[in-house]
Amino acid sequence: AQSVTQLGSHVSVSEGALVLLRCNYSSSVPPYLFWYVQYPNQGLQLLLKYTTGATLVKGINGFEAEFKKSETSFHLTKPSAHMSDAAEYFCAVSDDGGANNLFFGTGTRLTVIP
Amino acid sequence: NAGVTQTPKFRVLKTGQSMTLLCAQDMNHEYMYWYRQDPGMGLRLIHYSVGEGTTAKGEVPDGYNVSRLKKQNFLLGLESAAPSQTSVYFCASRRGQGPLNAEAFFGQGTRLTVV
Repeated sequence: AQSVTQLGSHVSVSEGALVLLRCNYSSSVPPYLFWYVQYPNQGLQLLLKYTTGATLVKGINGFEAEFKKSETSFHLTKPSAHMSDAAEYFCAVSDDGGANNLFFGTGTRLTVIP
Repeated sequence: NAGVTQTPKFRVLKTGQSMTLLCAQDMNHEYMYWYRQDPGMGLRLIHYSVGEGTTAKGEVPDGYNVSRLKKQNFLLGLESAAPSQTSVYFCASRRGQGPLNAEAFFGQGTRLTVV
């Protein structure tokens, strides 16, 4: 069985400060890991993904995440927050077997303080 | 290229009424999914399909039915709506298996209120 835990349902950072959103996963097989962003009243947009290869992955809008197998983590970071980063962020896990179902965390709402 | 399109975008139902949500994708994807999103609970999988004519239950299938008669369409039905089904519903699709096909594409959502 697969699952995702996102620590912190709400995170506030000042504009220009480091963004760190935490994600830990549980998977019995090598996982695929994703971060999605959701702006108000919109669908989900893929920020970045890890499937195979390099464990540090870069995504859109300056975000990046590092797959750490030993820590079962896939934390999302951005060096300098921008006002436009305010949104809800979801971490998700799947694998390459069966229907590749995506299992989501409960989300982290990011607020950026001017 | 429209991607994943959900119809309708908003709906209010009375308890006991039925309705069908339509999801259409124009990317020739094999896999399609229906999720519901509730505050503090993230997205939970209702039903999914791995190809035309196939469907399977997800995490929270009770009270819902689905059909995939055509590859591009995935329908979600509520036979007798209940207030507990008030939620935002998302459809998603992905091309298939393998790391190159891992990304899921989402529709804009349907906000359903059952009164």
